[in-house]
Amino acid sequence: RKEVEQDPGPFNVPEGATVAFNCTYSNSASQSFFWYRQDCRKEPKLLMSVYSSGNEDGRFTAQLNRASQYISLLIRDSKLSDSATYLCVVPRGGSQGNLIFGKGTKLSVKP
Amino acid sequence: GAVVSQHPSWVICKSGTSVKIECRSLDFQATTMFWYRQFPKQSLMLMATSNEGSKATYEQGVEKDKFLINHASLTLSTLTVTSAHPEDSSFYICSARILSRGNTEAFFGQGTRLTVV
Repeated sequence: RKEVEQDPGPFNVPEGATVAFNCTYSNSASQSFFWYRQDCRKEPKLLMSVYSSGNEDGRFTAQLNRASQYISLLIRDSKLSDSATYLCVVPRGGSQGNLIFGKGTKLSVKP
Repeated sequence: GAVVSQHPSWVICKSGTSVKIECRSLDFQATTMFWYRQFPKQSLMLMATSNEGSKATYEQGVEKDKFLINHASLTLSTLTVTSAHPEDSSFYICSARILSRGNTEAFFGQGTRLTVV
């Protein structure tokens, strides 16, 4: 299994739709996980952190399944502005561990 | 929030020349910074971990003599692409993490788009 693996994109959805992305990771010792959003030609920006079973912030919900080693990101009521690439990120290990990025899932929300 | 500033945001250089990219943490001290490279339609690939006051740790396949990293202070890390070639054209981005209880969020610089002609 790759260190971090994401659903291949692109996801093309209409406004208002609910969309979910999955991400699997190989290091069972990982304690924290992140979803970052990256717009075209821009730096990634943190969307959500996940430390326990999950996290919810408005229309965004992240869930963690440690037994199956996957993280999901659910976006409800999609907006045009949600169009971006979503990166699943897992620390490699240790308190200073670097972050390993998934290849990203591209989301395109259409009117 | 914490800010990481990267400079320049874009650069065009001739093949064979060297280019230096700076990464600064503006309101926090970063003992460790990370350098990533991203080719079009690809994910960020970690190149090296920059450690203040010691040698950088390079990922497998990254030439340390070509990508020189200097982390001389707690707020500045530099990446120098030496003898650049067109295949080095890419988006280079640095990041630093603030480690506090339960928070290991990474902050990214704005990235540097390097074009070697």
